[in-house]
Amino acid sequence: DSGVTQTPKHLITATGQRVTLRCSPRSGDLSVYWYQQSLDQGLQFLIQYYNGEERAKGNILERFSAQQFPDLHSELNLSSLELGDSALYFCASSRTSGGEVGEQFFGPGTRLTVL
Amino acid sequence: AQKITQTQPGMFVQEKEAVTLDCTYDTSDQSYGLFWYKQPSSGEMIFLIYQGSYDEQNATEGRYSLNFQKARKSANLVISASQLGDSAMYFCAMREGLGNFNKFYFGSGTKLNVKP
Repeated sequence: DSGVTQTPKHLITATGQRVTLRCSPRSGDLSVYWYQQSLDQGLQFLIQYYNGEERAKGNILERFSAQQFPDLHSELNLSSLELGDSALYFCASSRTSGGEVGEQFFGPGTRLTVL
Repeated sequence: AQKITQTQPGMFVQEKEAVTLDCTYDTSDQSYGLFWYKQPSSGEMIFLIYQGSYDEQNATEGRYSLNFQKARKSANLVISASQLGDSAMYFCAMREGLGNFNKFYFGSGTKLNVKP
C-alpha cells in the first residue's frame, strides 16, 4: 500500500458526460501528479500540483482540468468525454516537487470506461 | 524525439538468472532524475529505483541495480536472481525540470516473463 488513495476505483460513463476523479496523497506529501495510461499511448504525464498550485503541464487536453485543495487532496475533472478517454488514470504524490527527491508514490488508479 | 526509449517490448528470463532491461533517455537538462517502476498484472505502479543525474555511483536497491551511463544517456535496470514474482511490466521514467517545476516522461515499457 503506497498510502495514496484514489476514488472511485472504476467508473463507467457515456460519451459527452463529465466525471471527477479524486486523489488523496500520502500524509505529508505536497506534490500530486496525474497520469493517463491507455493501451495505445502508454503512461502519459498530465499535470502536477505542488501545495495547491499548478507546477507543470504535460499532455493534458483542454477538456481536462485539475486542482489541488488546501487539504492537499486533488481532483481531476474530465468533461465532454470521448471513447478515447477510456484509460487508467493514476495519481501519484511525492514529498517535494520532485527536485532532489527520488520517487513518486502511485495510487491504485481509477479505471474509466467511456461507452 | 522520444524522451524515454525502451526497445524491448517483451523479454523472457529463466528463474534465478539475471536480466537487463534497456532504457535510453533524451534530455538537454543538466539536472534530471531517472526511475524504474514495476507494474504487475494487478495494475499498481511500484517504485523500484532512482538515479539522480549527479549521482556518481550506480543506484542499488536489493536485487535491483541501475546501470547509469551518462555519456551514452542510458539507464538500464538489472534484476539479479530473477523470481517468478518479477513477471510484470517495467517502465523507465525521467524527471526533467528545476526547482518546483517538473515534468515526467515514461517509456513504453518492457514486459518481463520469468520462466520456472
